[in-house]
Amino acid sequence: EPEVTQTPSHQVTQMGQEVILRCVPISNHLYFYWYRQILGQKVEFLVSFYNNEISEKSEIFDDQFSVERPDGSNFTLKIRSTKLEDSAMYFCASIEGGGAPNEQFFGPGTRLTVL
Amino acid sequence: KNQVEQSPQSLIILEGKNCTLQCNYTVSPFSNLRWYKQDTGRGPVSLTIMTFSENTKSNGRYTATLDADTKQSSLHITASQLSDSASYICVVSGNSGNTPLVFGKGTRLSVIA
Repeated sequence: EPEVTQTPSHQVTQMGQEVILRCVPISNHLYFYWYRQILGQKVEFLVSFYNNEISEKSEIFDDQFSVERPDGSNFTLKIRSTKLEDSAMYFCASIEGGGAPNEQFFGPGTRLTVL
Repeated sequence: KNQVEQSPQSLIILEGKNCTLQCNYTVSPFSNLRWYKQDTGRGPVSLTIMTFSENTKSNGRYTATLDADTKQSSLHITASQLSDSASYICVVSGNSGNTPLVFGKGTRLSVIA
């Protein structure tokens, strides 16, 4: 069964460093999302991406964050200068089409630890 | 403010028993409500999706109900199994129906032998 994959599974970085989290959505899906979940808290929407541009973003998704689909398969989330409070699980998700409602398929997540 | 509240926060039940989890939401406009199962350290997995016109939807031993008038939903799990131990998250979507998704904090269910 097709699935969303994410790498790495765990990333440890120093405060102020740049990190890139990678996702490979399901191949025929057209809409892509990033979410984060701080330990013990709820999942929060960061950004949605369609047709090579951001379609929606939350207040969390400030200038330190950027997303890119550099090729036909990868979807990346970059954090330019990490802060301690960026430590969280980051989930990528994708859906097949834009008609609502569509089942969102989530990846296994990347645990980001900022020291 | 768009919010999704779930109760109880945690629940422990014996294997084979049934349980019901609750969700109240204030998201407006409302498009659809979803229940997800999240194992520890994993991504959420969809169980059900209901639009405002649907009152109930089943997926195996999981049955979700929706009352769009009172803005309440429930997830009923029948004949629980040890593998049902997970967090169950209620998620509501407004606007276009796919974003933004507003997540509840989840109910942590533990099924014990």
